[in-house]
Amino acid sequence: QQQVKQSPQSLIVQKGGISIINCAYENTAFDYFPWYQQFPGKGPALLIAIRPDVSEKKEGRFTISFNKSAKQFSLHIMDSQPGDSATYFCAASRSDKLIFGTGTRLQVFP
Amino acid sequence: DAGVIQSPRHEVTEMGQEVTLRCKPISGHNSLFWYRQTMMRGLELLIYFNNNVPIDDSGMPEDRFSAKMPNASFSTLKIQPSEPRDSAVYFCASRMTGMNTEAFFGQGTRLTVV
Repeated sequence: QQQVKQSPQSLIVQKGGISIINCAYENTAFDYFPWYQQFPGKGPALLIAIRPDVSEKKEGRFTISFNKSAKQFSLHIMDSQPGDSATYFCAASRSDKLIFGTGTRLQVFP
Repeated sequence: DAGVIQSPRHEVTEMGQEVTLRCKPISGHNSLFWYRQTMMRGLELLIYFNNNVPIDDSGMPEDRFSAKMPNASFSTLKIQPSEPRDSAVYFCASRMTGMNTEAFFGQGTRLTVV
């Protein structure tokens, strides 16, 4: 069933460093690619999202890079902070269905 | 709005027992999703509804799992009989269909089958 592949499974970054998480999808019918952030004991919450007609979207320290021809997209967290420590999920969606990757556990050490 | 509400937050049950998880979506949202989260498989989509109608249940692992949405404000996920491998966190999420809008998640139900 897994149509969205995510890597790495876990990531350890020093405070101030760049965190990079990668995802690849198969179904070209997907037209919306959100990233969700999940803290322990909570449900995932939308962090940032992109549509395939745009190659990059930036919101503060968070940037999505999108490569339509390669069917890949990635999340970059600049100046990573300990408060960014969480599990990150990429997802792919069409108008109704929403499929998630397997998640990346990010730990940012001071 | 209080957001997506799930109950119970925690459920411990014995193998073979029936388990029912409940979800109240955000008012006005017409898509509802049930996900199962495990360390190994991440967030798996089990089933989703559009306007109370099940659209895709291909993620439901076995016939032991069933889901209903009798009206726009309530959905259930039932496991009968439950097995230890069903232990996971189950999330319900809702969104507006057709606009690629944000999906809002509940707090989840942590199910432990012993």
